[in-house]
Amino acid sequence: DTEVTQTPKHLVMGMTNKKSLKCEQHMGHRAMYWYKQKAKKPPELMFVYSYEKLSINESVPSRFSPECPNSSLLNLHLHALQPEDSALYLCASSQDGRTGEQYFGPGTRLTVT
Amino acid sequence: GDSVTQMEGPVTLSEEAFLTINCTYTATGYPSLFWYVQYPGEGLQLLLKATKADDKGSNKGFEATYRKETTSFHLEKGSVQVSDSAVYFCAFLTQGGSEKLVFGKGTKLTVNP
Repeated sequence: DTEVTQTPKHLVMGMTNKKSLKCEQHMGHRAMYWYKQKAKKPPELMFVYSYEKLSINESVPSRFSPECPNSSLLNLHLHALQPEDSALYLCASSQDGRTGEQYFGPGTRLTVT
Repeated sequence: GDSVTQMEGPVTLSEEAFLTINCTYTATGYPSLFWYVQYPGEGLQLLLKATKADDKGSNKGFEATYRKETTSFHLEKGSVQVSDSAVYFCAFLTQGGSEKLVFGKGTKLTVNP
């Protein structure tokens, strides 16, 4: 199984809502990532978890809160988002974060109204 | 600072045409290099990689050679198909400390029948 799954596929939320994005992999990978991708742009790294510990936070606003409950799961909790946060949110995983070979999920298309 | 420069798109070709997408990088040392591809409505997929100078990565008819002298990693395919229509991202893995992928801006390829 070389699949990274993400739910939901689409999400529309208001600026006062709280929602969560979920990501799961069963490849035994120990590094997991959240990226944000705006239209016609490359992915922008947000967070990296390595062996279930947060190892990189790219100065992301606190309205985005990552969580790694176990080695297979990664969540992104969203609160009080702004319209400019509307984007495709991609989750990825890799063996140990040292090879650059990342497996991406299909993403969650988020719209903030 | 670390960066990747890709040829500007979009690129439109007819089926069976030859493809070249140029990529150069600015990085410390000699990082591993990658091409990722993003098909419409999907996440990114690793297309090929090279980890040291003069290495040639290849997959699905695509090739790229790690040129240390010119800090380049150009993507080529001898005969493109309609199914190759996608956005292609060149990337490298930063070294030392926080290891993360640095992406180019992406090149959109459209192949017409």
